Amino acid sequence: SQQGEEDPQALSIQEGENATMNCSYKTSINNLQWYRQNSGRGLVHLILIRSNEREKHSGRLRVTLDTSKKSSSLLITASRAADTASYFCATDAESGGYQKVTFGTGTKLQVIP
Amino acid sequence: DSGVTQTPKHLITATGQRVTLRCSPRSGDLSVYWYQQSLDQGLQFLIQYYNGEERAKGNILERFSAQQFPDLHSELNLSSLELGDSALYFCASSVEAGGILGTDTQYFGPGTRLTVL
Repeated sequence: SQQGEEDPQALSIQEGENATMNCSYKTSINNLQWYRQNSGRGLVHLILIRSNEREKHSGRLRVTLDTSKKSSSLLITASRAADTASYFCATDAESGGYQKVTFGTGTKLQVIP
Repeated sequence: DSGVTQTPKHLITATGQRVTLRCSPRSGDLSVYWYQQSLDQGLQFLIQYYNGEERAKGNILERFSAQQFPDLHSELNLSSLELGDSALYFCASSVEAGGILGTDTQYFGPGTRLTVL
């Protein structure tokens, strides 16, 4: 199975509600990053959290990282219709002298106006 | 518009063929990254070049290769194409080496949609 797996696969909420997405991974990592992707478009970087950090905030985004559980969560507060997109986590780890980067399967978020 | 350009926009070819995808980074960006997004495999990082040198490698198949030229544009070569290679291929660029998940923001191009029949 994939290094990064996200849960839920899809999420539908009303505008104004909070959305929480989770990401689990299998090996030790250096960093974990969350990206957003609108349908068929490229990725937009949201937030990076390093392995020695536990929580980071950026605007309406809050990311937590629990290295003991090998998991991270992305919380979007006060959601807006424009937040409708797919959200991916990506982990970065050393492997055989190279950086190995693995993306999760993504969570498709729909925010209903 | 991110400033990253990719050509062609769409590509339809047959199994066994070879194609080249091209990416021009934003002006001043030294790093180029290639990603593949398919329904089967999801989003995968393939490879990164920084100032002409390979910098990081992901899940890139041996049938695939890339290079970055002195003018910093990059090409991704896909050979002996299989049906499963059908995907959206993204290129991104950033100013510095950054590492894939460093603090260096990546700017994504619009992608090339490859269909292998």
